[in-house]
Amino acid sequence: QVQLQESGPGLVKPSETLSLTCTVSGGSVSSGTYYWSWIRQPPGKGLEWIGYIYYSETTKYNPSLKSRVTISVDTSKNQVSLKLSSVTAADTAVYYCVSSLDYKFDYWGQGTLVSVSS
Amino acid sequence: EIVMTQSPATLSVSPGERATLSCRASQSVSSTLAWYQQKPGQAPRLLIYGASTRATNIPARFSGSGSGTEFTLTISSLQSEDFAVYYCQQYNDWPFTFGPGTKVDIK
Repeated sequence: QVQLQESGPGLVKPSETLSLTCTVSGGSVSSGTYYWSWIRQPPGKGLEWIGYIYYSETTKYNPSLKSRVTISVDTSKNQVSLKLSSVTAADTAVYYCVSSLDYKFDYWGQGTLVSVSS
Repeated sequence: EIVMTQSPATLSVSPGERATLSCRASQSVSSTLAWYQQKPGQAPRLLIYGASTRATNIPARFSGSGSGTEFTLTISSLQSEDFAVYYCQQYNDWPFTFGPGTKVDIK
């Protein structure tokens, strides 16, 4: 079973870039078996799909965030990364790394809270 | 974008009773509909996919039905561990979208 662990700064300043890493075990980020997604959840609110990467290079992003998002993989470290630029307070959320065998979300990391504040 | 709605927002149920949660899509998503359970402080957990297929290790008291735009999640006999928030999600078209959730609490 795939296990996912998010890591990164818990506090980011407005206008800066949010950078998170997801370390994967029990599966290969380059195998093509899984889609690797990021999903976020503002405190007390619902879930928003940010985007995914597949086969190390095929990406799909939510149009609402597309201009600011980059998802990539580091095959040598078996990690998936998320970068979100020009953040505002509205980007404060718990960010989840998620793996999918198809497009439903099978395995979730525990999530990491990122706050945007000066 | 396909908009998902869920009703009711909150459902108060006594342990042992049946709970019926509804999810509606703004356009047809065929059977590409999943349900998730989220408990406080935890990540969501996949319960149902393909509208009616239980995910691995999900108890049989959870069942899903529907297709097109109308879907239902039924919990046949609520256990204490089932009190949580439930989300539906469509994966028929990008961007994948979630409903706002139904909170099932103790009556």
